[in-house]
Amino acid sequence: EPEVTQTPSHQVTQMGQEVILRCVPISNHLYFYWYRQILGQKVEFLVSFYNNEISEKSEIFDDQFSVERPDGSNFTLKIRSTKLEDSAMYFCASSESGQGSQPQHFGDGTRLSIL
Amino acid sequence: QKEVEQDPGPLSVPEGAIVSLNCTYSNSAFQYFMWYRQYSRKGPELLMYTYSSGNKEDGRFTAQVDKSSKYISLFIRDSQPSDSATYLCAMKPQGGSEKLVFGKGTKLTVNP
Repeated sequence: EPEVTQTPSHQVTQMGQEVILRCVPISNHLYFYWYRQILGQKVEFLVSFYNNEISEKSEIFDDQFSVERPDGSNFTLKIRSTKLEDSAMYFCASSESGQGSQPQHFGDGTRLSIL
Repeated sequence: QKEVEQDPGPLSVPEGAIVSLNCTYSNSAFQYFMWYRQYSRKGPELLMYTYSSGNKEDGRFTAQVDKSSKYISLFIRDSQPSDSATYLCAMKPQGGSEKLVFGKGTKLTVNP
């Protein structure tokens, strides 16, 4: 069964450094998402991306964050200057369409640890 | 009132028991309702996906949506130790936003 793959599984970074999290969505999917889950808290929406542009973002997704689809298969989340509070699991998801009739499928996440 | 509320448990049951997991919500615009299963150190895995009110069955799993009460449930029949995981409810409105709003998750342990 096709799946969303994320790399790396664990990233350790010094505070203030830039980090890029990578995702390969399911191949025929057109909508891409990033969510995060701080330890012990809910999964929270960060951003959705369609047709090479952001379609929706949350208040968490400030100027420190950016997303990109650099080629036909990868989808990346960049955090420009990491803070301690950015430590969390980051999940990438994708769906066939954005009409709500197609569910979002998640990868296994990248655990980001900021020191 | 929180947008989606879910009892975090933990919930511990013997193998073979019927498990009932529930979420309540406050936003009447929600139309799509999902249950995800999350094993330790893994991502959410889609279990059930329903639209509007009603029931949906898939094997040992049944999802129920009661929009009048803003209440959704997941029932697991003949529970197995492999069902031990955290179960997340999630929901979204029809049209417009694609943002899934999650509950906090209920940690379930099925004891052999």
